Amino acid sequence: QQQVKQSPQSLIVQKGGISIINCAYENTAFDYFPWYQQFPGKGPALLIAIRPDVSEKKEGRFTISFNKSAKQFSLHIMDSQPGDSATYFCAADDSNYQLIWGAGTKLIIKP
Amino acid sequence: DADVTQTPRNRITKTGKRIMLECSQTKGHDRMYWYRQDPGLGLRLIYYSFDVKDINKGEISDGYSVSRQAQAKFSLSLESAIPNQTALYFCATGAAGNQPQHFGDGTRLSIL
Repeated sequence: QQQVKQSPQSLIVQKGGISIINCAYENTAFDYFPWYQQFPGKGPALLIAIRPDVSEKKEGRFTISFNKSAKQFSLHIMDSQPGDSATYFCAADDSNYQLIWGAGTKLIIKP
Repeated sequence: DADVTQTPRNRITKTGKRIMLECSQTKGHDRMYWYRQDPGLGLRLIYYSFDVKDINKGEISDGYSVSRQAQAKFSLSLESAIPNQTALYFCATGAAGNQPQHFGDGTRLSIL
């Protein structure tokens, strides 16, 4: 089934802490896993993405960890800052025609 | 100027009215998408188009129609609006393959 399950729905983290958002998928045909970041009043924007041939990708404070056998991937935000407060969406793509989206996680970083 | 422009940004209307949401892009992408966003449900695909002559239904197309007037323009219509179509609507564009989708800033639609 074409589904991507994202958790938690909301997350509160202290400034400087690590934020972790998890996603799980079922379709083994997925071959591209992006994370999007959305600020209030704006559309989502690509944050970081990974392909299943690597287990981890890091860009600055943002890291995707990918576990192909478990069909899970996660976003880690190190040294979380108040400016990271946003809604985060994971997604999956099978190179066919569309992205399958997770339900989103509202992240709040407390100063 | 924004790469993907949606108009209007906000709209309040009554049940039964016909509504058109417009989207234009300057990215030069062939692929365009219309999504609906509801709290706790993420983004759900309404329609997508891979070129001017190609229109496809997404997950939740019932009650909606689209028109691809040009490569750069993709409009979404609600023929007879109902209250449960109250939501945030996003247009996006993308290139073929595993390329990022680029979103407009959305239209907040309220149907009374």
